[in-house]
Amino acid sequence: SQQGEEDPQALSIQEGENATMNCSYKTSINNLQWYRQNSGRGLVHLILIRSNEREKHSGRLRVTLDTSKKSSSLLITASRAADTASYFCATADTGRRALTFGSGTRLQVQP
Amino acid sequence: GAVVSQHPSWVICKSGTSVKIECRSLDFQATTMFWYRQFPKQSLMLMATSNEGSKATYEQGVEKDKFLINHASLTLSTLTVTSAHPEDSSFYICSSEGVRGANVLTFGAGSRLTVL
Repeated sequence: SQQGEEDPQALSIQEGENATMNCSYKTSINNLQWYRQNSGRGLVHLILIRSNEREKHSGRLRVTLDTSKKSSSLLITASRAADTASYFCATADTGRRALTFGSGTRLQVQP
Repeated sequence: GAVVSQHPSWVICKSGTSVKIECRSLDFQATTMFWYRQFPKQSLMLMATSNEGSKATYEQGVEKDKFLINHASLTLSTLTVTSAHPEDSSFYICSSEGVRGANVLTFGAGSRLTVL
């Protein structure tokens, strides 16, 4: 079952601006991950943050995790038109190997 | 890196026919594969977990006789949609834990099924 809710559902920004997406979840987790999906394609792993971590960076990506609030955010800085895609958070729930995906944010970056 | 090859990428079939989707791990051994289903503009819903050499574990509400999963080798898992109906039209994606660590999934490119 899907447990993660993401907001906003859709986001449209100009190239060069920052994009922030939020994710909430309900259960106890081992880690939280973010994936990207181009239209009609499979998903690509972006970044993983463990439950004992609060913030992580990878290139233009910054992820935060607040386990007390059961929430995470993904920040993409200096966005590019090529960043246009859907972004999903996914949780690895304690005792379960499969990932549970959030509802996703559709990001449109205008050139 | 880990690559999962999935085909066909799209298929159109008549109602009542069966469709097989294949997923192959190209450069690693996938003891476990996860099959997801995605409706337009929605999230991924886990259908089943496929384990090499044993029966698949299906999520609640997923009919095992409708969605047959076979994982006969360490590099191949197949999903067969039996007696497909229009409501089975969807995007089916397989994934596996590759070489990037536990829980990190490598996805196939997905298969879009349209049942007429």
